[in-house]
Amino acid sequence: DAGITQSPRHKVTETGTPVTLRCHQTENHRYMYWYRQDPGHGLRLIHYSYGVKDTDKGEVSDGYSVSRSKTEDFLLTLESATSSQTSVYFCAMGLALNTGELFFGEGSRLTVL
Amino acid sequence: GESVGLHLPTLSVQEGDNSIINCAYSNSASDYFIWYKQESGKGPQFIIDIRSNMDKRQGQRVTVLLNKTVKHLSLQIAATQPGDSAVYFCAEAHMDSSYKLIFGSGTRLLVRP
Repeated sequence: DAGITQSPRHKVTETGTPVTLRCHQTENHRYMYWYRQDPGHGLRLIHYSYGVKDTDKGEVSDGYSVSRSKTEDFLLTLESATSSQTSVYFCAMGLALNTGELFFGEGSRLTVL
Repeated sequence: GESVGLHLPTLSVQEGDNSIINCAYSNSASDYFIWYKQESGKGPQFIIDIRSNMDKRQGQRVTVLLNKTVKHLSLQIAATQPGDSAVYFCAEAHMDSSYKLIFGSGTRLLVRP
């Protein structure tokens, strides 16, 4: 309902396989983010984007890459998934710099066996 | 939706009472402080934010207090309702060009009927 969707919502994969999570927004927001959420750690920023082809690293970027080739899509890729990347991943979007308001997707649960 | 079984500090309140959720932040250079609510199975939802040059801001049934001297943020919820049961996160942001939000670990609010 907030104009941001994530896919897939659930995925089980094996160690060493590549995984791509997609975040799609229909609000034309400039800023997009990928967070992971784990017990005891809350939400931790993986990567973020401040425009098409403009991305930067967050707190826990090792093992992840992102791409943003158009405003509406922000892809998170695990080149070779590890069990430590089992988590719930949230995408978010933000409109402007003068507010702390982000709109979050519903999350993608990834299990790496 | 997705949720994470977080081992969180828990605040239990009686329906109708006021709730106070506290947060300590780390970066004295942060420009914004924000509160988010996360219901089970959903992504975080923005509640209210406050600029670093303010010490109080009120919303609908919520008030955020900022004490920069001791780096403390609180969220007060008036007349707590069952629908307020959720995990509450504080976040801080430094609004340079990167516009990153860094989240705290969260507090679970349980409302007793």
